[in-house]
Amino acid sequence: SQQGEEDPQALSIQEGENATMNCSYKTSINNLQWYRQNSGRGLVHLILIRSNEREKHSGRLRVTLDTSKKSSSLLITASRAADTASYFCATMDSNYQLIWGAGTKLIIKP
Amino acid sequence: DAGITQSPRHKVTETGTPVTLRCHQTENHRYMYWYRQDPGHGLRLIHYSYGVKDTDKGEVSDGYSVSRSKTEDFLLTLESATSSQTSVYFCAISETGVFGNYGYTFGSGTRLTVV
Repeated sequence: SQQGEEDPQALSIQEGENATMNCSYKTSINNLQWYRQNSGRGLVHLILIRSNEREKHSGRLRVTLDTSKKSSSLLITASRAADTASYFCATMDSNYQLIWGAGTKLIIKP
Repeated sequence: DAGITQSPRHKVTETGTPVTLRCHQTENHRYMYWYRQDPGHGLRLIHYSYGVKDTDKGEVSDGYSVSRSKTEDFLLTLESATSSQTSVYFCAISETGVFGNYGYTFGSGTRLTVV
């Protein structure tokens, strides 16, 4: 079953702009995680936010979590060509299962 | 990816044949997972392991079996491959799967084509 739904499905922006991706989920969670996948490669863990946290930063990444709306957003500031990838959110539910969304495909135009 | 390798990277096999994919880790993590990735579905869990000889089914386990005889190796077997099992298979490891507050580390994937 698919818990998280990313929005938009695809996003194309100019290099240097900020990129925002959203994730919505349905059930209560222990944490929410964001991953990046470059074409043809494995997924790379970016950031984990726990259910009792509201915001977290890591370098150019900023993640927010609103448990009342069951949603999260990932902001990438000052985008670079190397940020071109698919981004996935995954939620860990009360059964400690990690459930994945279908991803947002981000294209950074030079 | 550091600490986790999958083999083979690519495989083409015929319908009805058995296929085994291997995941090897050097991190000594307790939890290991097998996922498949198909367009429009994100990642779907096939099986996972929480220790040597301890495994459990995921949401899409039909037609697959797993074995873990050593901490470092987790094998996925397609008992009789079908075209619907054409996919990219990813292995992942985590430090504390049950308590969950660590991210997963993924292998580079195995692209399997069943003809």
